[in-house]
Amino acid sequence: SSELTQDPAVSVALGQTVRVTCQGDSLRTYYGSWYQQKPGQAPVPVLYGNNFRPSGIPDRFSGSSSGVTASLTISGAQAQDEADYYCSSRDSGGFGVFGTGTKVTVL
Amino acid sequence: QVQLVQSGAEVKKPGASVKVSCKASGYTFIGHYIHWVRQAPGQGHEWMGRINPNNGDTNSAQKFHHRVTMTRDTSITTAYMELSGLRSDDTAIYYCARAYYYDGSDYAFDIWGQGTMVTVSS
Repeated sequence: SSELTQDPAVSVALGQTVRVTCQGDSLRTYYGSWYQQKPGQAPVPVLYGNNFRPSGIPDRFSGSSSGVTASLTISGAQAQDEADYYCSSRDSGGFGVFGTGTKVTVL
Repeated sequence: QVQLVQSGAEVKKPGASVKVSCKASGYTFIGHYIHWVRQAPGQGHEWMGRINPNNGDTNSAQKFHHRVTMTRDTSITTAYMELSGLRSDDTAIYYCARAYYYDGSDYAFDIWGQGTMVTVSS
C-alpha cells in the first residue's frame, strides 16, 4: 500500500512531550519527512528523513523510525508548535506520498 | 533568498484547464526537481507529479496521468503545471515545492511556493 496513516489529533500540555506517528508499508524502504502547516500557510519542513533538522528548526523536534512507523517527537512543546503535521515519503513507484495529517493542540 | 513564487488564484468552469506558474529564484533552477502537490479544502496533501528542470522529464501520479502537463522555461526559471478537464473536486490549493536531497540519496521538500487557490465552479 502507498498510504501513510496518522492519528487525526493529539494534544500535549505546554512544555511536555508529544509523539506523532506515521504508518505505511513504504516506510520499510524509505524514510519519512515531516512538515508543519499552520492555517492559511504553506507547509514548512521540520524534519528530513530519520533525523535531519532543516536550518532554523529548534532541536526540540526529533525523529525516529522503526519498521513501518516513522515518528516525530516534540520535546517541551511550545504554543507556537500548535499546527497540523504531515509525514511524507515515497510510494512503491518511488514518488511522493503524504500522510493523512495530525492536528497537534498545545494545552 | 531562495524562494518559489506562484501565480494568483484562479476560478474556472468545469471542463476548463488551468495553468499555474512557479517562479524560482535564489538558487540554480536546473539543479532541483520541482514537485506539484495539492490540498483540497480541509484535506491533506496529494502528490501530483514532478519535473526535472534540467531536461524537462516528468513523472505524474497515476490519478492525474492523462490530465496534468508539467513544463518549464529555464530562461525565466519558471515551472508550470497545467490541469485539464477540471471538475469540482479539483478545487484545491496547488503548491509547487523544491526537492532537496538531504543525504545524497533521499529527498524532501525544503522550499514551498505560497500556494495557488484554484476554484472550479459553474
